[in-house]
Amino acid sequence: DIQMTQSPSSLSASVGDRVTITCRASQVIINYLAWFQQKPGKAPRSLIYGASTLQSGVPSRFSGSGSGTDFTLTISSLQPEDFATYYCQQYFSYPLTFGGGTKVEIQ
Amino acid sequence: EVQLVESGGGLVQPGGSLRLSCAASGFTINNNYMNWVRQTPGKGLEWVSVIYGDDTTYYVDSVKGRFTISRDNSKNTVYLQMNRLRTEDTAVYYCARGWELDPHDYWGQGTLVTVSS
Repeated sequence: DIQMTQSPSSLSASVGDRVTITCRASQVIINYLAWFQQKPGKAPRSLIYGASTLQSGVPSRFSGSGSGTDFTLTISSLQPEDFATYYCQQYFSYPLTFGGGTKVEIQ
Repeated sequence: EVQLVESGGGLVQPGGSLRLSCAASGFTINNNYMNWVRQTPGKGLEWVSVIYGDDTTYYVDSVKGRFTISRDNSKNTVYLQMNRLRTEDTAVYYCARGWELDPHDYWGQGTLVTVSS
């Protein structure tokens, strides 16, 4: 199975900050990498697929980059509604696997 | 509008069975990959199973031989039959739509399964 390692596991930031979350795969996954946002008590929401393609309706302050084994999710200017937990997931091979999550908290 | 509505969760004893349903609307399930993903209380996400339009299925190792994914195209509904349940299967189970290049573009609201004596 492909292991996905996210860092940091949590971070504190202020509104307007630039935030970067990294995700590393245990083997090459090309660009079969997705990012999800989850708020407490809610289902995950798809943000990005194909490592860098934004889902319809996702604000442009979100962006994804990377290929191979190393990937990044960037929020260019953190907004109040962005405080949540973020997960990466590889879909290069089964079983699909998620990272452990990054909780973005208000500083 | 795409909607996924899960049902069938509840409290069950270890060794018991449950069948979860995911009713889809706004699209046709046999044109997509339909997945089940679970989340243990306070923990992260775990992909469980997928069914393709040609009936190809995949499972995470921990549920192989105990869980079966299926679908009824006439009802536009996907199922997860869960047998020989264990306490570690306790989780919120989500149904999620996907396709080849996008694993889970839409998610349902989830249904809670609690395995306890």
